[in-house]
Amino acid sequence: NAGVMQNPRHLVRRRGQEARLRCSPMKGHSHVYWYRQLPEEGLKFMVYLQKENIIDESGMPKERFSAEFPKEGPSILRIQQVVRGDSAAYFCASSPFPIPNTGELFFGEGSRLTVL
Amino acid sequence: GDSVTQMEGPVTLSEEAFLTINCTYTATGYPSLFWYVQYPGEGLQLLLKATKADDKGSNKGFEATYRKETTSFHLEKGSVQVSDSAVYFCALSENTGNQFYFGTGTSLTVIP
Repeated sequence: NAGVMQNPRHLVRRRGQEARLRCSPMKGHSHVYWYRQLPEEGLKFMVYLQKENIIDESGMPKERFSAEFPKEGPSILRIQQVVRGDSAAYFCASSPFPIPNTGELFFGEGSRLTVL
Repeated sequence: GDSVTQMEGPVTLSEEAFLTINCTYTATGYPSLFWYVQYPGEGLQLLLKATKADDKGSNKGFEATYRKETTSFHLEKGSVQVSDSAVYFCALSENTGNQFYFGTGTSLTVIP
């Protein structure tokens, strides 16, 4: 039973380029969460999605960031026109139920974005 | 708002030493509390949890007790092993809402 799969593990972009991070949740999980970890900081919530729906995007920056979880395929976190401050580790997590019901998230290994 | 503050690292211990990693929290409601662990090259995984005051979570020799009066959830292990070397994250989740709040993580290195 494969775990949460994220790719790429490492991504290097120049300022102004686009970054796309992909996340395939565990089999049977329909709830996906994206977190960002900036250097020397804890994980910060970005967005919570179910299949084809954004449930909570209160942690997403208002500009340049978007997320989707289509009916088929992985969840995508997209960052347009990247800046150096976007350099961070981006973690995806999935669960079979919403957080209040189970209290457990299953995490991927993270995608580390470096903006030159 | 909700937040978690945990002991800064890095922490280096000798094998069989006693471990404590402090964690305190601020919450508006009645949260559940968690410790997650991240081994090198892997994703975070749940280590233990406690869902109400005075509960004790335990797993793999690690323990933490949910103390409402001191708003704390300190992680302890009586005798650490080299294989316990990892980054440990304290976290909370409210019973409503969609997110976990994580601490900054504490890196532990156990030397033989």
